[in-house]
Amino acid sequence: AQSVTQLDSQVPVFEEAPVELRCNYSSSVSVYLFWYVQYPNQGLQLLLKYLSGSTLVKGINGFEAEFNKSQTSFHLRKPSVHISDTAEYFCAVSEHSNYQLIWGAGTKLIIKP
Amino acid sequence: KAGVTQTPRYLIKTRGQQVTLSCSPISGHRSVSWYQQTPGQGLQFLFEYFSETQRNKGNFPGRFSGRQFSNSRSEMNVSTLELGDSALYLCASSLPAGGPGEQYFGPGTRLTVT
Repeated sequence: AQSVTQLDSQVPVFEEAPVELRCNYSSSVSVYLFWYVQYPNQGLQLLLKYLSGSTLVKGINGFEAEFNKSQTSFHLRKPSVHISDTAEYFCAVSEHSNYQLIWGAGTKLIIKP
Repeated sequence: KAGVTQTPRYLIKTRGQQVTLSCSPISGHRSVSWYQQTPGQGLQFLFEYFSETQRNKGNFPGRFSGRQFSNSRSEMNVSTLELGDSALYLCASSLPAGGPGEQYFGPGTRLTVT
């Protein structure tokens, strides 16, 4: 069965510093990969997705993620964070044959001034 | 285009009561999914409706039910509320032929059971 592990429940980082949010998945079949963001008191919003092709995917707000098939990882990165990036970030996967999303537990990104 | 709307935004109920939550998808979207979000369990899938039919279902007891109308609007119902049902309930819509993972979320309904 598929599962998604987000290794860090919280990541504190100083403003303008780089950040990496980690995501690992387990699946016996090919998957699609996603990062969603949830700002305080809001629903989730798609940040970026990997469907096929280039393993480096660029998303909104300066975020990018790299799909590593051998390590079954899809880590999210941003070179310089801003206070407005304070949010919870969710990694999700779905099989190619079934679009139902399997979600990670989420990582809270805390920006320190 | 208007986004996904959910009503009400906040709700307080007592144990044993029932509750109905409503979700209006983005115009043209025919698939609606419901999720329960809690600090302890994270985001959990409840069910998905497409063209008025339940297409997928998560591992929730039968107290949780839903339906979808011909205009794609959806409702979910929770009967005999328990304290553990306190959560943020999120609705998401997607196009019928949309890409995988292309879900658009509403702001959620915050349910508090006392």
